[in-house]
Amino acid sequence: SQKIEQNSEALNIQEGKTATLTCNYTNYSPAYLQWYRQDPGRGPVFLLLIRENEKEKRKERLKVTFDTTLKQSLFHITASQPADSATYLCALTDSGYSTLTFGKGTMLLVSP
Amino acid sequence: DAGVTQSPTHLIKTRGQQVTLRCSPKSGHDTVSWYQQALGQGPQFIFQYYEEEERQRGNFPDRFSGHQFPNYSSELNVNALLLGDSALYLCASSVDPISGNTIYFGEGSWLTVV
Repeated sequence: SQKIEQNSEALNIQEGKTATLTCNYTNYSPAYLQWYRQDPGRGPVFLLLIRENEKEKRKERLKVTFDTTLKQSLFHITASQPADSATYLCALTDSGYSTLTFGKGTMLLVSP
Repeated sequence: DAGVTQSPTHLIKTRGQQVTLRCSPKSGHDTVSWYQQALGQGPQFIFQYYEEEERQRGNFPDRFSGHQFPNYSSELNVNALLLGDSALYLCASSVDPISGNTIYFGEGSWLTVV
């Protein structure tokens, strides 16, 4: 069955450092991989989408890589800030009807 | 421009009861999907509606049903509630048919079954 794994432990980093979150998947051939941010009690907020034929995508302080051979995506937040503290969800989509298969998420805590 | 709006935000139901949750998609969006998110888990896909038809369904029992109206708004109905149905129910909207369009989520409806 399809499986998506994200860092199971919370990630604690200091303000100003780069946070790197991992998303690994098995038994899946996604056309797209997306990253979402979710704050406690709120709905997920779309951050970045990367297509299967793209290696890297950037948006401001965010960078996503996508390696379909390793079946892995890395999500980087550079110059992290306490306001970046949240749970980050990785989601895969096939080329069909844009339904998302999510990982459990990784909680990021950025300390001042 | 209002995003995805959901109602109610919180509700408490008793086992065996029925519940209806409502969603208005973002303006211009014609596709609505529903997800269930249990505490500490990622959202799980329930079903998707497009052109008032259920187009795709996840691994959820028939107790979960839905509807999409001509104005693209949608309802999620859950019958014979179980304690395990307690979760955050999320509505997501997008423009179809091109997969890969940005998907927008509402803030969710918190359902507690006691």
